[in-house]
Amino acid sequence: RKEVEQDPGPFNVPEGATVAFNCTYSNSASQSFFWYRQDCRKEPKLLMSVYSSGNEDGRFTAQLNRASQYISLLIRDSKLSDSATYLCVVNAEYGNKLVFGAGTILRVKS
Amino acid sequence: DAGVTQSPTHLIKTRGQHVTLRCSPISGHKSVSWYQQVLGQGPQFIFQYYEKEERGRGNFPDRFSARQFPNYSSELNVNALLLGDSALYLCASSILQALGVTQYFGPGTRLLVL
Repeated sequence: RKEVEQDPGPFNVPEGATVAFNCTYSNSASQSFFWYRQDCRKEPKLLMSVYSSGNEDGRFTAQLNRASQYISLLIRDSKLSDSATYLCVVNAEYGNKLVFGAGTILRVKS
Repeated sequence: DAGVTQSPTHLIKTRGQHVTLRCSPISGHKSVSWYQQVLGQGPQFIFQYYEKEERGRGNFPDRFSARQFPNYSSELNVNALLLGDSALYLCASSILQALGVTQYFGPGTRLLVL
């Protein structure tokens, strides 16, 4: 079993749609959680950290359920510029080794 | 301020050769990590260095080695290259080696092994 598993993609959605990505992690000792965004042939960039209380940043909302070992990302009012690969990331050990999921491709179309 | 820089941006090697990839962290960052990203997958952790000492190693063969210099820049070395080593090699830097500290990635080095 992979340490971090994500919804298979790609997700093809029209502009303005709401889209949700899900992620599960296997290590119950995981402490920190993130969503990274990666554009084609570019490096990953931090989109947002994920907290137990849930957090929101504009059109983006992230949720964490420690009991179910489940992380989600909701994107509202999708823009063409949201097209990218979204990586679910877990930081489980002392230090800051990041464990990445395989990513979910989002394509927003006009 | 400059972000994380990596060199070279692209590299083509043949099987059996060795390669050295370089990374300069953001000014003031003391921790550098290396990741390998194969096409279609997420990055996989290779090494982490903090204050010039190895602090973590991923599940990679001994052909992979790294070091960190007094100015906190880092090198990743790969010996006896295999076709499967073809990937994007990413360097990430952070101020500290601690849980939850944001890591910033460089643009990566694309390695193609023929």
